[in-house]
Amino acid sequence: NAGVMQNPRHLVRRRGQEARLRCSPMKGHSHVYWYRQLPEEGLKFMVYLQKENIIDESGMPKERFSAEFPKEGPSILRIQQVVRGDSAAYFCASSGALNTGELFFGEGSRLTVL
Amino acid sequence: AQKITQTQPGMFVQEKEAVTLDCTYDTSDPSYGLFWYKQPSSGEMIFLIYQGSYDQQNATEGRYSLNFQKARKSANLVISASQLGDSAMYFCAMRDNQGGKLIFGQGTELSVKP
Repeated sequence: NAGVMQNPRHLVRRRGQEARLRCSPMKGHSHVYWYRQLPEEGLKFMVYLQKENIIDESGMPKERFSAEFPKEGPSILRIQQVVRGDSAAYFCASSGALNTGELFFGEGSRLTVL
Repeated sequence: AQKITQTQPGMFVQEKEAVTLDCTYDTSDPSYGLFWYKQPSSGEMIFLIYQGSYDQQNATEGRYSLNFQKARKSANLVISASQLGDSAMYFCAMRDNQGGKLIFGQGTELSVKP
């Protein structure tokens, strides 16, 4: 049973370009969470999705960032017109039922904006 | 609002000794879960241990145990027989069972000395 898969592991973009980060949850998991970790900081919640629905996007910047979790395929975090401040590690986690400890992270995608 | 606090930015422990990493939390929800994750220098988030708010016994996983004191709202991680490979950042996190997302503490950097 494969774990949470994120790709790419490393992504380099120039200012103004778009970044797309993908996350495939663990088999059987329907809850997906995205977190951002700036250097030397903890993880900050961005968005929580279930299949085809955004449940909580209270941590998402209002502009340039969007997320989706389609019926088929991985969840995608999209950052348009990237700026240097977007350089960070982006982690995806997936979960089964909410009242259990079944919540696991992918290895992260490290975005560097030049 | 929910909050997680880790008051120890850094800790040192001698190899083979036990160490306790502190974590306190605040929530008004009666049903919640508490998690500990390890983040080594390679960057991935490794799940260590989980405690549900209604669990009667403290959780244990190998050398990891969670000292859960509900009245004090504390969920300290105890690592027994420390190993050099335990050197890493450790994050405490809480999840309410309605909203689903994890809220993280600031982290504690553990260094194990030979």
